[in-house]
Amino acid sequence: GENVEQHPSTLSVQEGDSAVIKCTYSDSASNYFPWYKQELGKRPQLIIDIRSNVGEKKDQRIAVTLNKTAKHFSLHITETQPEDSAVYFCAASEDDYKLSFGAGTTVTVRA
Amino acid sequence: EAGVVQSPRYKIIEKKQPVAFWCNPISGHNTLYWYLQNLGQGPELLIRYENEEAVDDSQLPKDRFSAERLKGVDSTLKIQPAELGDSAVYLCASSLGSGRGSYNEQFFGPGTRLTVL
Repeated sequence: GENVEQHPSTLSVQEGDSAVIKCTYSDSASNYFPWYKQELGKRPQLIIDIRSNVGEKKDQRIAVTLNKTAKHFSLHITETQPEDSAVYFCAASEDDYKLSFGAGTTVTVRA
Repeated sequence: EAGVVQSPRYKIIEKKQPVAFWCNPISGHNTLYWYLQNLGQGPELLIRYENEEAVDDSQLPKDRFSAERLKGVDSTLKIQPAELGDSAVYLCASSLGSGRGSYNEQFFGPGTRLTVL
């Protein structure tokens, strides 16, 4: 089965700085890579996703890059704000339903 | 539009007792998922339903866990008997429907936090 590793497990950044989270996956058949944000005690929510036919996708302050050859993908958050503090999960799937999640990255934005 | 609804939000039980969780997916969503989330970990799929059919239950510990989605809408996940290691958050999610080449966002519920004493 798919195995997704996520790094770092915790990340502390100064407000306004950038944050980068990296994930690697094992199954070359995976072609869908969503990112979820989970605030403390809340439900995971999709913030951005990328499919294997593109290398980069951007949505305002967040962007995701994908390197299929190396089997890794990354989340980039620019101009971080306190409301970006949360746990971020990457996931990989070869279809839309069987998501394999990483262990999560706790991001803390210092004011 | 209401999101995925789960109840109860919290449950504390003694080991060996039974427990049940309920999920109401987003209206019109044919696919329903139950996930287990241990502290500090990502969600792990337990079972997936397409309408009333369990199409993937390979990760469900069938000796003690069971699930049903009788009318293809609401779903119940049951544990009997519960063990100490079952303490976790149980998340329900739903999506419009799966199909080869289709990508449907999974919408998660708030989860049920289970504590087994």
